[in-house]
Amino acid sequence: QQQVKQSPQSLIVQKGGISIINCAYENTAFDYFPWYQQFPGKGPALLIAIRPDVSEKKEGRFTISFNKSAKQFSLHIMDSQPGDSATYFCAASGGSGNTGKLIFGQGTTLQVKP
Amino acid sequence: ETGVTQSPTHLIKTRGQQVTLRCSSQSGHNTVSWYQQALGQGPQFIFQYYREEENGRGNFPPRFSGLQFPNYSSELNVNALELDDSALYLCASSSTSRDEQFFGPGTRLTVL
Repeated sequence: QQQVKQSPQSLIVQKGGISIINCAYENTAFDYFPWYQQFPGKGPALLIAIRPDVSEKKEGRFTISFNKSAKQFSLHIMDSQPGDSATYFCAASGGSGNTGKLIFGQGTTLQVKP
Repeated sequence: ETGVTQSPTHLIKTRGQQVTLRCSSQSGHNTVSWYQQALGQGPQFIFQYYREEENGRGNFPPRFSGLQFPNYSSELNVNALELDDSALYLCASSSTSRDEQFFGPGTRLTVL
């Protein structure tokens, strides 16, 4: 019940295309859902985050879509660029005993071809 | 504004030894969380410190311990190192225990 399942494991997109990464969770007490971007040899960088009171949040080319009833959320990267090539992690936290404890998905390696 | 910093960058130890990793939180942040990231995996929560007290712990044995100092910097100590402890150790800081967490660059620990 504490898991966050992320798919796909890897993704190849052409420059200018849309990259979509999906995550699913089981613990309905989760109330915070961030996405992180990680380049090789670096720490994860916070991209965008959402709480369950909204169904969508957009920041620049990055959009989170959130479906509370399905217990799923996704990251959409519009107009994908080669510089977006990195590993992306979804995460979740919240509920009794889980405050501040981020539970991460397994990651998606994105390659954007020029 | 200074971001999260960690030291050292890389470390090589042998099985059975002890190691101390250090983290300085971002300016204005009073909460520090530690994560272990094995190669090709997502980070796993070790524990969190808030106002110098442990505020939550993941599924890690007691040989993983920590400290937070009055300036909110933190240490992660690992005793009796095992080969499986080889990983990237990440520190993240936040304004409170519930807020956005910002990660440092990590310490790459190799246990031989």
